[in-house]
Amino acid sequence: EVQLVESGGGLIQPGGSLRLSCAASGFTVSSNYMSWVRQAPGKGLEWVSVIYSGGSTYYADSVKGRFTISRDNSKNTLYLQMNSLRAEDTAVYYCARENRDYGDFRGFDPWGQGTLVTVSS
Amino acid sequence: EIVMTQSPATLSVSPGERATLSCRASQSVSSNLAWYQQKPGQAPRLLIYGASTRATGIPARFSGSGSGTEFTLTISSLQSEDFAVYYCQQYNNWPLYTFGQGTKLEIK
Repeated sequence: EVQLVESGGGLIQPGGSLRLSCAASGFTVSSNYMSWVRQAPGKGLEWVSVIYSGGSTYYADSVKGRFTISRDNSKNTLYLQMNSLRAEDTAVYYCARENRDYGDFRGFDPWGQGTLVTVSS
Repeated sequence: EIVMTQSPATLSVSPGERATLSCRASQSVSSNLAWYQQKPGQAPRLLIYGASTRATGIPARFSGSGSGTEFTLTISSLQSEDFAVYYCQQYNNWPLYTFGQGTKLEIK
């Protein structure tokens, strides 16, 4: 079964750091494009970052320079290192695989269950 | 940035009736549009990609249409499990994906 399980969320003070993990099963993280998407409480979805199978990374302007996406191939796990956290980073963070068919995007599927990050003093 | 605008914000429909949700892009995204369903406390679920192609396992009552800047998600005969929030997403400007703000489909 193809599955993603996030962990690492919690309560953190403004300016602090946190690392989220996303463990995959049923497929290989390093062979896929993997994204982080977040959702602030009661709000919509916001794409955060992606890592391509070749290793290239991209970020939303709102997190550029503060967040770093990476992966550990031996653990088949995706990460999001979040530094200099702000109150507006408070959200549920989802990891998701990009479904691709011959390189064409076919939607985010599957998604993990999400992990809540709360930035507050 | 491509801005996605969904309407209405809330749609009240009775079970068994048809629901029509709209999504507009601030510039053309061709057919590079996906739809997701999200229920409370759950992750989003992929419904449609390529504006009109149903994802694996999605019932035929869900259909998508449109291209360019105007898109529609239609649910032909609402079932109780269909009441949820629906999001559109453009991927024409990948990897700078953007989502609409969502339409809440509620029971009338």
